[in-house]
Amino acid sequence: DAKTTQPPSMDCAEGRAANLPCNHSTISGNEYVYWYRQIHSQGPQYIIHGLKNNETNEMASLIITEDRKSSTLILPHATLRDTAVYYCIVRYYGGSQGNLIFGKGTKLSVKP
Amino acid sequence: EPEVTQTPSHQVTQMGQEVILRCVPISNHLYFYWYRQILGQKVEFLVSFYNNEISEKSEIFDDQFSVERPDGSNFTLKIRSTKLEDSAMYFCASREQVIFYEQYFGPGTRLTVT
Repeated sequence: DAKTTQPPSMDCAEGRAANLPCNHSTISGNEYVYWYRQIHSQGPQYIIHGLKNNETNEMASLIITEDRKSSTLILPHATLRDTAVYYCIVRYYGGSQGNLIFGKGTKLSVKP
Repeated sequence: EPEVTQTPSHQVTQMGQEVILRCVPISNHLYFYWYRQILGQKVEFLVSFYNNEISEKSEIFDDQFSVERPDGSNFTLKIRSTKLEDSAMYFCASREQVIFYEQYFGPGTRLTVT
């Protein structure tokens, strides 16, 4: 599986967009980019995933560069409740039985 | 909205004792997982379970661990003889058939081994 690199921490002002980057330069053609987050010590929460097109859902948008070597998760209007650790995970769509490999992620702090 | 539930929320046990952590996955999900997170560390995969058998397991999941789906709703993780280093948050997760990595996690059980 492709290795991902994320900044260890980021700050964002409440109400502003939070843009969380992820580098995955060794991603292969059949690997998807998944984003999860973990609020405090709660169970991780699925946010969004994509292959090569930009994706949007009610939580966030995912922008994947054309060469697929990096992506950005966008929380359009961050709130205090978005303070969490955000994980970028790259996995082959049909690989194994779906176990997730978590890195250290980016700790996002949303400040009032 | 359906959710994964776990019981108990906190379990304290003495070293060498057996513990069983319980999970109720989302009802129409077919794949089930256990993960653990030692305090301050990464979330680690333990085991995946499908069609009443283990489909994949990590190096952490040794002979001291076992999983079971005793009925149509519960999914359990048993640790036969707990060690101090088993102290962690244990998360259960489940998913539907098709989307491999869109998993739904429970709130976790904090296991403290003394």
